[in-house]
Parts: sequence; structure tokens; C-alpha cells
Amino acid sequence: EDQVTQSPEALRLQEGESSSLNCSYTVSGLRGLFWYRQDPGKGPEFLFTLYSAGEEKEKERLKATLTKKESFLHITAPKPEDSATYLCAVLPNYGQNFVFGPGTRLSVLP
Amino acid sequence: ETGVTQSPTHLIKTRGQQVTLRCSSQSGHNTVSWYQQALGQGPQFIFQYYREEENGRGNFPPRFSGLQFPNYSSELNVNALELDDSALYLCASSPGTGPNQPQHFGDGTRLSIL
Repeated sequence: EDQVTQSPEALRLQEGESSSLNCSYTVSGLRGLFWYRQDPGKGPEFLFTLYSAGEEKEKERLKATLTKKESFLHITAPKPEDSATYLCAVLPNYGQNFVFGPGTRLSVLP
Repeated sequence: ETGVTQSPTHLIKTRGQQVTLRCSSQSGHNTVSWYQQALGQGPQFIFQYYREEENGRGNFPPRFSGLQFPNYSSELNVNALELDDSALYLCASSPGTGPNQPQHFGDGTRLSIL
């Protein structure tokens, strides 16, 4: 069964304190791994797509990396506006069934 | 460029009733997917429509059904509502069905079942 887990469940950082979020997955063939950001009361906002192990993508203070079993979202010198829930999802080789993880709730304190 | 819009934003129903949720896809997008998101959890895939045809379905019972119109807007219908159907229902549109076509989400419809 395709599965995505994320850790930690919640993370509190001081402004400027860098850290990483983890997404571990088991899937029967990976077509893509996706990172989204979701603010309270809003729909998820697309951040990155990664396709193969070794790939990296960057956007402002965020950098996503991918291995054969997990992905990391590195946050460098975060600001309070980076506070949100970060969701990871995978698209298996078959079908259109995107499988989401439960998310990591990030709080960045000023 | 108008994004994905969903209506209504909030809805309260009772057990056994039926509900229809609506989604207008982003301009140029021919693919719409529906998700159910329970509180504190990630979205769960319900189904996807591509050019008016169902193109994939998650592990949801047949009382969850959908429709896509020629303008690519979409509806999600749920019959015989149960308490566990209380959730945020998200619609996402994309310009196609591949992994290189990122999904753009609306802000959802919050459905509460009493």
C-alpha cells in the first residue's frame, strides 16, 4: 500500500533558526513527489515537484531534496511568515491517486 | 488570471441528506481533482476528471460522485451524508494529468454534518 509519513508532526523555531522537515514514502514506482504549503483556512499552495533521487529544487528560503525513500524540506533562516503546515504528496506510477502525508505544522516565532 | 474558486465556503447538513459542492477551475485547466481533508490530516484523493470523463478514483464509496462540464468546472455530489463526511472538501485544477502539471487548489468548502 502506498504511504507517506511526515516528521515532526509540529515544529517551533525561532526566527533565523534553520531546520529540516522529513517526508518518508513507500510507493510502487514514483512519478513525482510534491511539496505544498497550507495556511489556516486556505487550500494547499504548490511549492515544488521532484522526480528522481538526487534532485534538488530551491525557492527563496526553501530547498527540497529527494532520495529513493524520503524527501527533505530545508528551511534556511526562517521568518514568521513561513509559519504554515507543509504537506508532502507522491504520485505513484499507476493512476491519478495523489497520496498526501499528514503534514508538519511549522511555527516561526519572532 | 482567476484561480480555482469553490462554493459554498461553508455548509451545514444533517445525516441522510444530499449535498452538491461546486468548483470553477483555473483558466486553461482541463483537469479537476477532488479531495477530502479531515481536521489535522492531509487531503485524501476522491476522484479526478479529465475532459469531462472520470480519470481515476480513490477509496471512496459510490455515494461520492462527480461531474465535469464542457467549461471544465466540476461538481462533487455526496448522497446519504454520514457524520464522518464532516471535512474540508478541496478542489484542485491543472492544465493536464501528468506529474509535471502541478495542481492548484481552491480554498475549499467546509462541510459539517449534524
